[in-house]
Amino acid sequence: DAGVTQSPTHLIKTRGQQVTLRCSPKSGHDTVSWYQQALGQGPQFIFQYYEEEERQRGNFPDRFSGHQFPNYSSELNVNALLLGDSALYLCASSGAGKWYNEQFFGPGTRLTVL
Amino acid sequence: DAKTTQPNSMESNEEEPVHLPCNHSTISGTDYIHWYRQLPSQGPEYVIHGLTSNVNNRMASLAIAEDRKSSTLILHRATLRDAAVYYCILGTTGANSKLTFGKGITLSVRP
Repeated sequence: DAGVTQSPTHLIKTRGQQVTLRCSPKSGHDTVSWYQQALGQGPQFIFQYYEEEERQRGNFPDRFSGHQFPNYSSELNVNALLLGDSALYLCASSGAGKWYNEQFFGPGTRLTVL
Repeated sequence: DAKTTQPNSMESNEEEPVHLPCNHSTISGTDYIHWYRQLPSQGPEYVIHGLTSNVNNRMASLAIAEDRKSSTLILHRATLRDAAVYYCILGTTGANSKLTFGKGITLSVRP
């Protein structure tokens, strides 16, 4: 079992550009959540996808959008990048049909905005 | 979301027990207490969770106060690999549960 995988590992962009980050969930999981972790802070919830729809969303602007594919993999898109978007972006997956949904995290994508 | 309060940091010696405290005075009756940890350069990983009773698993024990306003994560024998940021989180366990992380407590382990 490969666990949760994310790509790319690192990314450097300039202000105003757009970026797409990718996540493959753990085998058997159908729910994907995205988190942003600034340096020295805990991860902050961005949104969660289930059955290809955004199920809930944290306090992030519309510049942050996502998508979930039929194979449960997911993308996070960020438009009009700001310097403050520099962070570690974490993807977590969990499975439906379980009373306790332990979340499994990937290693993250480190985004640097110059 | 109900908030948790944790010390910023704690030090321990290798092979000794470690008690990591967490205060959550505004916990609701349906909130579970979750602990995750984040090793350097990795994503967070699940440690343990509980509702009212003390819980044990292969990684740790969770001791929950009778009034549920505080809890303690217990690592029975700290190893160097246990050096990490430990997050105490309140929340539900349903299919749409999300994790609201604070800053966590940074545990250092001395050899």
